[in-house]
Amino acid sequence: KQEVTQIPAALSVPEGENLVLNCSFTDSAIYNLQWFRQDPGKGLTSLLLIQSSQREQTSGRLNASLDKSSGRSTLYIAASQPGDSATYLCAVNYGGSQGNLIFGKGTKLSVKP
Amino acid sequence: EPEVTQTPSHQVTQMGQEVILRCVPISNHLYFYWYRQILGQKVEFLVSFYNNEISEKSEIFDDQFSVERPDGSNFTLKIRSTKLEDSAMYFCASSEALRFSETQYFGPGTRLLVL
Repeated sequence: KQEVTQIPAALSVPEGENLVLNCSFTDSAIYNLQWFRQDPGKGLTSLLLIQSSQREQTSGRLNASLDKSSGRSTLYIAASQPGDSATYLCAVNYGGSQGNLIFGKGTKLSVKP
Repeated sequence: EPEVTQTPSHQVTQMGQEVILRCVPISNHLYFYWYRQILGQKVEFLVSFYNNEISEKSEIFDDQFSVERPDGSNFTLKIRSTKLEDSAMYFCASSEALRFSETQYFGPGTRLLVL
């Protein structure tokens, strides 16, 4: 069974710190991997999508990397801000006719001012 | 910026009642999805839909569930006879085409509470 795991489950950091969120997946034959942000009681906001042929993607202070062979992705957040506080979800697309996403449980990030 | 919209934002229903959750995907998107998230648990795939038919469904999507695209803009999820365990946040998503590099865009969700 394909599983996506995110560590740590929760993380608290002071404002300004750089941090890394981890995602691992059991089957390395992925088509792409997507990172989302979820605020409490809200929907999912897509942050970055990495295709299977890519090693990393960047958007502003966010950088996501992908290592298919080891079944890992990381989301690097530079110079964290209180507004970054949210749950970050990793989701893997193994393709097929439907391209549905398999989600991790998320890392709940709290950035203290 | 175009976005996926969902209505209602909250729905409370009695066990055994039928509910219809509505979604308006992004207008040029061709693939549509429903996911759900039970409180405190992972987001789970329910069903994908393309060209007016189901492409794939998970084992959660049993005979009590159905999806429909009744017109050119709406995409609905119907639960025929709700159960307590159907209480969850339901998310609609859409993507531009079946190319595996495409981002899935999610709506804000409908929180369903079955009493």
